[in-house]
Amino acid sequence: EVQLVESGGGLVQPGGSLRLSCAASGFTFSSYWMTWVRQAPGKGLEWVANIKRDGSEKYCVDSVKGRFTISRDNAKNSLFLQMNSLRAEDTAVYYCARDSGFGGKDSFDIWGQGTMVTVSS
Amino acid sequence: AIQMTQSPSSLSASVGDRVTITCRASQAIGNDLGWYQQKPGKAPKLLIYAASSLQSGVPSRFSGSGSGTDFTLTISSLQPEDFATYYCLQDYNYPRTFGQGTKVEIK
Repeated sequence: EVQLVESGGGLVQPGGSLRLSCAASGFTFSSYWMTWVRQAPGKGLEWVANIKRDGSEKYCVDSVKGRFTISRDNAKNSLFLQMNSLRAEDTAVYYCARDSGFGGKDSFDIWGQGTMVTVSS
Repeated sequence: AIQMTQSPSSLSASVGDRVTITCRASQAIGNDLGWYQQKPGKAPKLLIYAASSLQSGVPSRFSGSGSGTDFTLTISSLQPEDFATYYCLQDYNYPRTFGQGTKVEIK
């Protein structure tokens, strides 16, 4: 079964750090760009970052630049999001998603169940 | 960053209705647009990519159109399972940006 499972969320104080993981199974992980998307409570979706198949290209939204780092380990079929200097506004459910690149376009066809990150003192 | 503006923000409709949701980009994005459906407490689901290509397994009552700055998601005959929130997403450049969402509710 094609599947993504996130882990690593939790409660952290402002200024703290967390590392999210996304375990992939059922497909050739190294063949796909991967993406993180987040959703604050009661709010819409926000694209956070993505990473190329071999990790050689990475992009992120301005609000997390210098604080969040996306990475991957193709040998372990895993995607990561290292989050430092966390702020209250980073509170959200974080989803990882596979980008199948259909038609040469972003197409997030497989999603994880999400992991909740709460930044609060 | 490119701003994506959806309208309406919410709508009420009945089963069998034709529903149209619009997404407008703050600059031309070609056909670099996707549509996603999200139900409460669930991850989003891909419906449409490249503005008008139907994702495998998605019912044919869903269709997408548009190019440049104006895009439309149409549900030809609303079904009970279609009550959800819908989002557009541009992948023309970075950072990718979603619309604010359109909630489709039961009338």
